[in-house]
Amino acid sequence: DAKTTQPNSMESNEEEPVHLPCNHSTISGTDYIHWYRQLPSQGPEYVIHGLTSNVNNRMASLAIAEDRKSSTLILHRATLRDAAVYYCILRDPPGGTYKYIFGTGTRLKVLA
Amino acid sequence: NAGVTQTPKFRVLKTGQSMTLLCAQDMNHEYMYWYRQDPGMGLRLIHYSVGEGTTAKGEVPDGYNVSRLKKQNFLLGLESAAPSQTSVYFCASSDEGMSEKLFFGSGTQLSVL
Repeated sequence: DAKTTQPNSMESNEEEPVHLPCNHSTISGTDYIHWYRQLPSQGPEYVIHGLTSNVNNRMASLAIAEDRKSSTLILHRATLRDAAVYYCILRDPPGGTYKYIFGTGTRLKVLA
Repeated sequence: NAGVTQTPKFRVLKTGQSMTLLCAQDMNHEYMYWYRQDPGMGLRLIHYSVGEGTTAKGEVPDGYNVSRLKKQNFLLGLESAAPSQTSVYFCASSDEGMSEKLFFGSGTQLSVL
């Protein structure tokens, strides 16, 4: 199974950068790395995804290790609205159909 | 922009009752998914569908049935509800392709007494 490993929780001060790590040692060559976040009492929402190269969008940046066995979601300036559970996910099974298995994610707490 | 719509938003059942949760998407997506989320936990995949007329089991399929008779709808059924099925249920959809995003509904809070 394509599994990811994330820390259970992290804290950050408001307006400081946050680096959320994810390990995915069983990733296959064609699997994209997706990040979603879930705000309190809401469904998950897409944040960013990438394959090999680092990616940037208006919400965040994604840094992918050269061997693709780990990645880091970067929030450049955390705000109180970024407090959420962040999920790093791959497709499961590696190279199989497009079902996405969520782990328990990282709960990000942003301190004012 | 409707996106993914789930009905109902809340429901209370008694043990042994049955019900169907409806998920509708207006994005012409091929793939649809049902997840459950227990308090303080991550999402677990119940069933999914890769196209009209197809369904497949996810991580926790027992006690649930699904149907995808129309491309835009994905139904989740509980034939005989149990307290262990008290959870928040999320539906999601995505297009084909390895990089396609998941779009989620707002969830259904189900309590089984």
